[in-house]
Amino acid sequence: AQSVTQPDIHITVSEGASLELRCNYSYGATPYLFWYVQSPGQGLQLLLKYFSGDTLVQGIKGFEAEFKRSQSSFNLRKPSVHWSDAAEYFCAVFLPSQAGTALIFGKGTTLSVSS
Amino acid sequence: GAGVSQTPSNKVTEKGKYVELRCDPISGHTALYWYRQSLGQGPEFLIYFQGTGAADDSGLPNDRFFAVRPEGSVSTLKIQRTERGDSAVYLCASSPQGAQGYGYTFGSGTRLTVV
Repeated sequence: AQSVTQPDIHITVSEGASLELRCNYSYGATPYLFWYVQSPGQGLQLLLKYFSGDTLVQGIKGFEAEFKRSQSSFNLRKPSVHWSDAAEYFCAVFLPSQAGTALIFGKGTTLSVSS
Repeated sequence: GAGVSQTPSNKVTEKGKYVELRCDPISGHTALYWYRQSLGQGPEFLIYFQGTGAADDSGLPNDRFFAVRPEGSVSTLKIQRTERGDSAVYLCASSPQGAQGYGYTFGSGTRLTVV
């Protein structure tokens, strides 16, 4: 079945430590890939996106993500986490080959930052 | 407006009642989307408008849910005979025409609680 999977429900990282959030997709063709962040009581904010080309993409707030076709993955990374990064993170896909479709989201990963 | 506006931000209603949730997209954005986000889950697609017409309503869970966008700007999501299971955050997003794959701008959502 077609899906986008975020294997980790909850991750805790110490402030200043590095972070990697996992995302895998299962589609016949490479979709467009996105990461969104949602802080408590806030709307979803786009962190970064991948369509094609360079497989390492830079986003806002010091985040980056790497697309690996062989692993059907699009993992989000940050070299040094700040306490303000505590939030819910969602991976999403868009299927350009299917006209009229909408973004499909994973179930999310909750990031906690410890001091 | 500068962003996507959703009203009300919170709505508490009794089981069986009718509710309307409003979304005011970014001016000029022809595509508008409704999502539902239950506690601990990612946003689930409900319906997508291109202009005034619903291009895809495959995500509406049943015939108690209906959405309109009569003038191609503001949209209203309508829920009849509300049930406790309808309690969730309802998110609206918009995007420019032809740019659906480039990421959406989300509103802050309406938190619906059915008691």
